[in-house]
Amino acid sequence: AQSVAQPEDQVNVAEGNPLTVKCTYSVSGNPYLFWYVQYPNRGLQFLLKYITGDNLVKGSYGFEAEFNKSQTSFHLKKPSALVSDSALYFCAVRDPSGSARQLTFGSGTQLTVLP
Amino acid sequence: NAGVTQTPKFQVLKTGQSMTLQCAQDMNHEYMSWYRQDPGMGLRLIHYSVGAGITDQGEVPNGYNVSRSTTEDFPLRLLSAAPSQTSVYFCASRARTSGSHFYEQYFGPGTRLTVT
Repeated sequence: AQSVAQPEDQVNVAEGNPLTVKCTYSVSGNPYLFWYVQYPNRGLQFLLKYITGDNLVKGSYGFEAEFNKSQTSFHLKKPSALVSDSALYFCAVRDPSGSARQLTFGSGTQLTVLP
Repeated sequence: NAGVTQTPKFQVLKTGQSMTLQCAQDMNHEYMSWYRQDPGMGLRLIHYSVGAGITDQGEVPNGYNVSRSTTEDFPLRLLSAAPSQTSVYFCASRARTSGSHFYEQYFGPGTRLTVT
């Protein structure tokens, strides 16, 4: 079975500081990994994904994430946070070798960037 | 392109009532899904479809029905609403083929449903 965990419900960071939102996963094979962002009263928007290749992937709005197979992690990072980055962030996983045919989402992390 | 559209945006139902949440996409995506979002639980998959005429159950299908008669539309039916179905419902779609947008899901704006 595929699963994903976001250990922090809430992350607060000062504007201009680096930010990290954590995600760990569990799959039996090689994972497809995704980050989505949700602004208030909106649907989720795709940020970035890891399918194969370079472990460091870059996405929208200056975000990046590093796939670490040994630690089964896919943490979301940004070098310098903006107040406008404040939103709910979801990590998601798909095990292409498994029986589940859709993504499994984490419980979400609320990021607040303080001015 | 309008992307993924959902109607209504808000709905209040009484226990036992039925209704249909509408979802449409204009991107010719083969895959469509319905999720519910509850606080602290992320998104949970209700039903999904891999093409017209083909649907399958997700993680939390009980109390919901779906059909997919066209590529564009994927309505979600609540047969007899219960307070436990109070949630925000999202429809999503993605293309089946590979390419730069492989496995990227596009989400609608959501329907906020309250069952009293």
